Amino acid sequence: GAVVSQHPSRVICKSGTSVKIECRSLDFQATTMFWYRQFPKQSLMLMATSNEGSKATYEQGVEKDKFLINHASLTLSTLTVTSAHPEDSSFYICSARDSGVDAFFGQGTRLTVV
Amino acid sequence: EDKVVQSPLSLVVHEGDTVTLNCSYEVTNFRSLLWYKQEKKAPTFLFMLTSSGIEKKSGRLSSILDKKELFSILNITATQTGDSAVYLCVGGSNYKLTFGKGTLLTVNP
Repeated sequence: GAVVSQHPSRVICKSGTSVKIECRSLDFQATTMFWYRQFPKQSLMLMATSNEGSKATYEQGVEKDKFLINHASLTLSTLTVTSAHPEDSSFYICSARDSGVDAFFGQGTRLTVV
Repeated sequence: EDKVVQSPLSLVVHEGDTVTLNCSYEVTNFRSLLWYKQEKKAPTFLFMLTSSGIEKKSGRLSSILDKKELFSILNITATQTGDSAVYLCVGGSNYKLTFGKGTLLTVNP
């Protein structure tokens, strides 16, 4: 089956710094990638949808200047959390769409801002 | 606004029981209905359903979609403790995925 690799799996950073999370589709070309955030005991919340070569579409309430998304190639999308604060601590997951299955998920990134 | 509603929100059964998880959806430009199993980390893909009435099976798990009633069920037979997880139902459109809140299944020995 298709594989989506997300890196890093866990990151701890200081308040005010920026963190970049990578999402790669390893064996297929992902024209669309989705970024989600999950709070404890809650379902996944869509943050933004990115299409290769174009600007990401952000969901209502998600700050695009804070959560920078780049989808420069058909196999790589990045999410940068800028000037991170403790309230940004969460579990971030990407998924990539291919023609066979609508979404394969990365392993997720546990971000802790101290 | 698109929405996906799962029921029950939580369920506790004993090993060997059969369970049915429910999912109703309202998704504009509907494309697919997906089921995932989520344990500690990212969701694991189970099924993608696009056509009504065609059951998909994988071992003890099976699922079916009713596009007229906008409904899907996920069945698990002869449950095992390893089936304990959150099961997510997801509605896929041409533009995005909409998640249900999930059903927390606990299988006791």
